Amino acid sequence: ETGVTQSPTHLIKTRGQQVTLRCSSQSGHNTVSWYQQALGQGPQFIFQYYREEENGRGNFPPRFSGLQFPNYSSELNVNALELDDSALYLCASSQPGGHGYTFGSGTRLTVV
Amino acid sequence: QKEVEQDPGPLSVPEGAIVSLNCTYSNSAFQYFMWYRQYSRKGPELLMYTYSSGNKEDGRFTAQVDKSSKYISLFIRDSQPSDSATYLCAMKRGGSQGNLIFGKGTKLSVKP
Repeated sequence: ETGVTQSPTHLIKTRGQQVTLRCSSQSGHNTVSWYQQALGQGPQFIFQYYREEENGRGNFPPRFSGLQFPNYSSELNVNALELDDSALYLCASSQPGGHGYTFGSGTRLTVV
Repeated sequence: QKEVEQDPGPLSVPEGAIVSLNCTYSNSAFQYFMWYRQYSRKGPELLMYTYSSGNKEDGRFTAQVDKSSKYISLFIRDSQPSDSATYLCAMKRGGSQGNLIFGKGTKLSVKP
C-alpha cells in the first residue's frame, strides 16, 4: 500500500508567478484535502475534494484553486503568488467514511 | 479566541520521562480528535484517533478526551529520543467529510 505522494518537494517562485502542486492519494482514498502550514504554525485548511468536486473551503482567496482527477489524484494551483504564500503545502487523503487523514511529506514553496 | 489552543513549548524532557501534551478547544461540535507527530521537514503522521470522550491506548501512547471540559491530552510513557518532534492536535466535526482544525503544535525534545 503506497502512501500519499507529493511533487515537487521544493519549489522557488517569484512574486506574481503561478504554481501547480501535485498529489497522489493513498490507494482506496477518495477524499483529498490541501493544507497550508506556515513556519511554526499548525496546518490551515485550504479546500477539500470528493469525487472530483470541491466540497469544502477554508479562508483562502480564489487565486487558490484545485482539481481532483478520476484516479483521485489532485492539483493545487496558486495564481499571482505573494511573499506570504511561502509555506509547506500538505496534501491529505482519507478513505470513504474515514476520519483519520493520511498526509504526504509536503511541497515547500518559497516565494521571492 | 482560536478554535483550538495548544502550547507551542518547546518542551524538553529526559529520556524515560512521562510526557503530557494538551489542547483546549472552544467548539462543542467537534466529535473526532487526533494527535499527529511531525518530524522536521516532513508531513504530519497520525498517531492516535479518538471519537468523542474517553481514553485510548496504543503502546506507549495514551490519548484522553474530556468533552465536558473541552480538553484533550496525549501521554507518552518511557519517552525516547526518537519521540523528539512536533506534536499537533487536530479536531473535526461530525460527518464523513469536513476538514481538520489544528493546534499550533508543541515541539518536544527528549534528551538522552
